[in-house]
Amino acid sequence: DAKTTQPPSMDCAEGRAANLPCNHSTISGNEYVYWYRQIHSQGPQYIIHGLKNNETNEMASLIITEDRKSSTLILPHATLRDTAVYYCIVSSQGGSEKLVFGKGTKLTVNP
Amino acid sequence: EAQVTQNPRYLITVTGKKLTVTCSQNMNHEYMSWYRQDPGLGLRQIYYSMNVEATDKGDVPEGYKVSRKEKRNFPLILESPSPNQTSLYFCASSARRGHTEAFFGQGTRLTVV
Repeated sequence: DAKTTQPPSMDCAEGRAANLPCNHSTISGNEYVYWYRQIHSQGPQYIIHGLKNNETNEMASLIITEDRKSSTLILPHATLRDTAVYYCIVSSQGGSEKLVFGKGTKLTVNP
Repeated sequence: EAQVTQNPRYLITVTGKKLTVTCSQNMNHEYMSWYRQDPGLGLRQIYYSMNVEATDKGDVPEGYKVSRKEKRNFPLILESPSPNQTSLYFCASSARRGHTEAFFGQGTRLTVV
């Protein structure tokens, strides 16, 4: 079973920041937080991952709370092409081995 | 360009007719895996391989076979497909060491009638 809880859906206005929350209250010390997204029925796409420090790349920022029990993925300026299902995954196995996908959050970016 | 390539993208077949879905990656990744995605059930891992000649079952391996004779290729074999294997299939690859990203193929939509 997925170790994360995410809201089933969210809406965001185009050009605004999209903040997607994820709860992972049972995360253990060696587990990382990964975010992937899936646009329509395409293959999942890696976004970002982190252990305890906040991370930023060209796609998004990842904010992890100090107790590591929750995190937020931030898309700073959402576009229509960011409409997708976003998956938050915790994994200790390098993140590259078995990924347990939950139901994710369906983000709809509206014009 | 780094990519995982699956073929075919779409396939309709009949029950019992053996088929193979190919998967190839050009990133020299050690780890490869297959997932299936079904409505309401999400993505589930079928088989994975940690390197050449090293494969193991995932969560839903029944009815599937795989092989890893070369590092770049990881075909998924359905010896006798059944309608409950109608699904969207994804191949993924990743570097074995450290915390790295997984790359997914474009998907293969399989219908077994």
